[in-house]
Parts: sequence; structure tokens; C-alpha cells
Amino acid sequence: KAGVTQTPRYLIKTRGQQVTLSCSPISGHRSVSWYQQTPGQGLQFLFEYFSETQRNKGNFPGRFSGRQFSNSRSEMNVSTLELGDSALYLCASSLGRGSGANVLTFGAGSRLTVL
Amino acid sequence: AQKITQTQPGMFVQEKEAVTLDCTYDTSDPSYGLFWYKQPSSGEMIFLIYQGSYDQQNATEGRYSLNFQKARKSANLVISASQLGDSAMYFCAMRERERDDKIIFGKGTRLHILP
Repeated sequence: KAGVTQTPRYLIKTRGQQVTLSCSPISGHRSVSWYQQTPGQGLQFLFEYFSETQRNKGNFPGRFSGRQFSNSRSEMNVSTLELGDSALYLCASSLGRGSGANVLTFGAGSRLTVL
Repeated sequence: AQKITQTQPGMFVQEKEAVTLDCTYDTSDPSYGLFWYKQPSSGEMIFLIYQGSYDQQNATEGRYSLNFQKARKSANLVISASQLGDSAMYFCAMRERERDDKIIFGKGTRLHILP
């Protein structure tokens, strides 16, 4: 079955612009989580969506937002981009609560460069 | 405070030797899960192994085993008979089921397998 698909894979933006990243989860997975990965901070949790509702949020400013659609696809948006937003953004899907292991399956990531 | 601590930023190991990657965690949640992921240079995160806090036996998956010492809050990953393809970043992660159910990651250990 198809894995987690993230688009675009690479993008370059300038400071002040905004960006929207997309994530299509594995079929049947209802939970989508987003992570920001940078060399200095490692993998940091952004937010998690389950059945179109945000049920967890990390410690990021309000410029970072997301949403989930009825087909479980998710988007995240970063407004007013800053140089420090340059990172690999990873999306992961899972079955959601109720499954003890609740393993995350990751996409290949979207690498954002802010100039 | 760090929830997940990986004290080895980098390791060099000879091919075919066994490797132990350290991970300690901090939680007061009685129900939690521990995960290990591998991230090759391609960037995609690959799930390796899972251990639940109530599991009596250490988890094993092929050449991977998790040395779970609950009292010490330790969840080391052991890779037997290392291969060149094991060269990658390795992340330990934890999910606190009663707290907020999100999965958080350690900073990672970069493993280099030498021929």
C-alpha cells in the first residue's frame, strides 16, 4: 500500500513569505503528526491531528498552523517566514489512539529553505 | 527538562560487531511506549522497534533488540552483527499515554559502521 506522501519535497522561500506543506497519510490512518527537524534542535513536535481536530500542539509560535481534511490529508502552514524556519518538515501518520504501539509512519519530508 | 536523553552524539563501530545505542527517559506516566527510529542520509524515518511499559520481555525485531530496564528508565537499542547499511542517525522516542499521547524524540545518535 502507498506510504505517507509529502509535497513538495523541496522548496525555497524568502523571509516574510508564507508556505503550505501537504501530507497524505497511509490509507486508513486517521492521525497525522508534524515535526520540524533542524541540526541544532533535532526533531521537535509541531502538532497532531485526528479526525480533523487538533489534539496535541507543540511549543511553536502561532505562525505555525495546520489542519486536517475529512479524507485525513493534512496541511501545515507557516506564515511570515523567518530564516530559522529553514528545516526538514516531517509528517507522520498512525492509526491513532486505541492502538498501544501506535507506530508513526513517516513521509520523506519537505525541505524548506528560507533566504 | 529533557524527556529523552541520548548521550552518544556519534559512534564508530567495526562492521559485524554488536552496537549498543543508549537512551534514557523521564516520565511519571505509568503507561508509556518507547520507540527507536532510524534515519538514513535520505532523510526518511524508519521504525525499528517498540517496547511498551507493561511488556515483561524485551522487544526484538530481527537484528534489533531493545534492552529495557524500567527501574533505571533505560531503553537501549542493540544491533547485532552490524552492517554497512546500518550507518545512519538513530532516534529514541517516547509516548506518554496518559499525559498527552504525543511522541517526542531524543536528539539522536549518528552511527558510522566501518568496513
